[in-house]
Amino acid sequence: GEDVEQSLFLSVREGDSSVINCTYTDSSSTYLYWYKQEPGAGLQLLTYIFSNMDMKQDQRLTVLLNKKDKHLSLRIADTQTGDSAIYFCAAGSYQLTFGKGTKLSVIP
Amino acid sequence: DTEVTQTPKHLVMGMTNKKSLKCEQHMGHRAMYWYKQKAKKPPELMFVYSYEKLSINESVPSRFSPECPNSSLLNLHLHALQPEDSALYLCASSQDRQGDFYEQYFGPGTRLTVT
Repeated sequence: GEDVEQSLFLSVREGDSSVINCTYTDSSSTYLYWYKQEPGAGLQLLTYIFSNMDMKQDQRLTVLLNKKDKHLSLRIADTQTGDSAIYFCAAGSYQLTFGKGTKLSVIP
Repeated sequence: DTEVTQTPKHLVMGMTNKKSLKCEQHMGHRAMYWYKQKAKKPPELMFVYSYEKLSINESVPSRFSPECPNSSLLNLHLHALQPEDSALYLCASSQDRQGDFYEQYFGPGTRLTVT
């Protein structure tokens, strides 16, 4: 089955860029997703990328996909304190496999 | 309306109790999901309903019993739970089969504590 790995923690200063990395194993995943979870809340789909794309930009978010290395990253420009949350990478289609989540802490 | 609602928000139950978790969406989605999330862990899929029929059961113990009375509602009936079943239970929904793209909308979850 699919396996998705992420680093567990990231700490950045407000205004800097954050980069969260993810690797996955199943190259047949057509879409790859980034979800955000704030404390005590459900998951919110932030963005996604189709597997035949290298990059997708959506306002402050940039997703980079290296399909050869099965590596996905999420860059958040001008990180704000409201971006503090856990970010999950997910792969699959109907049945998503989530990474363990990266806790992003933003220092004011 | 892009909201998935879940009730109750918090639930404390003893190991001999029977309780139910409820989930509702009015987005016309035909796929609905139950996930279990332990602290500091990713969500784990439990069940998937597609067009009101159970399509995926991830080898979940029978003390968890899902039910989909109609396309907008999803229940999870709980009976004889164990303390290790304490977790955040998340419901999600998605339009069914848009190619391979499934944007799942999640509810806020029910925080369950089994004593």
